[in-house]
Amino acid sequence: RKEVEQDPGPFNVPEGATVAFNCTYSNSASQSFFWYRQDCRKEPKLLMSVYSSGNEDGRFTAQLNRASQYISLLIRDSKLSDSATYLCVVNPPNGGFKTIFGAGTRLFVKA
Amino acid sequence: DAMVIQNPRYQVTQFGKPVTLSCSQTLNHNVMYWYQQKSSQAPKLLFHYYDKDFNNEADTPDNFQSRRPNTSFCFLDIRSPGLGDAAMYLCATSPGQLTYEQYFGPGTRLTVT
Repeated sequence: RKEVEQDPGPFNVPEGATVAFNCTYSNSASQSFFWYRQDCRKEPKLLMSVYSSGNEDGRFTAQLNRASQYISLLIRDSKLSDSATYLCVVNPPNGGFKTIFGAGTRLFVKA
Repeated sequence: DAMVIQNPRYQVTQFGKPVTLSCSQTLNHNVMYWYQQKSSQAPKLLFHYYDKDFNNEADTPDNFQSRRPNTSFCFLDIRSPGLGDAAMYLCATSPGQLTYEQYFGPGTRLTVT
């Protein structure tokens, strides 16, 4: 089992749709969780940190489910500009500042 | 206001010819990372520094070395590039205090001929 797993997609959705991605992690003691966005041939950019209580930033909501060892990202009212790859990142225990990236989920938002 | 800068953006090298990629940061972050990313794959951590403390990933080939002469700069040396080393190389920084959020440079795309 990979340490961090994501559904690769692609997810093809129309503008205005709501879409959700999940990411599972194997180490239950993992500490910190993030979602990054990566556009084609560009660097990853931090989208959101994921807190135990869940957090929201505009149209984006991130949640952590420690019992089932997954994090989720919900995008409401999808825009064309949301088309990108969404990377899940986990900080494993006892890894210092090491982080592990999932392979990413590709999202295409269509007009 | 570029905060993490990588040079060059594109690098072509010959098979077996040593190459050095550079990264600099204006964020004064303690942690610096080097990742390798191939097409449609996750960024793969090669190594990271906390200040001058070097942390090598167990599966990083010996062909890859790194130097961090000061807080601002970090270098990736590929001693004998093979065709399989062609990839995007990403540098990232993190404050290193209470957060693991990372800030990436634009990457260097390495081609090996």
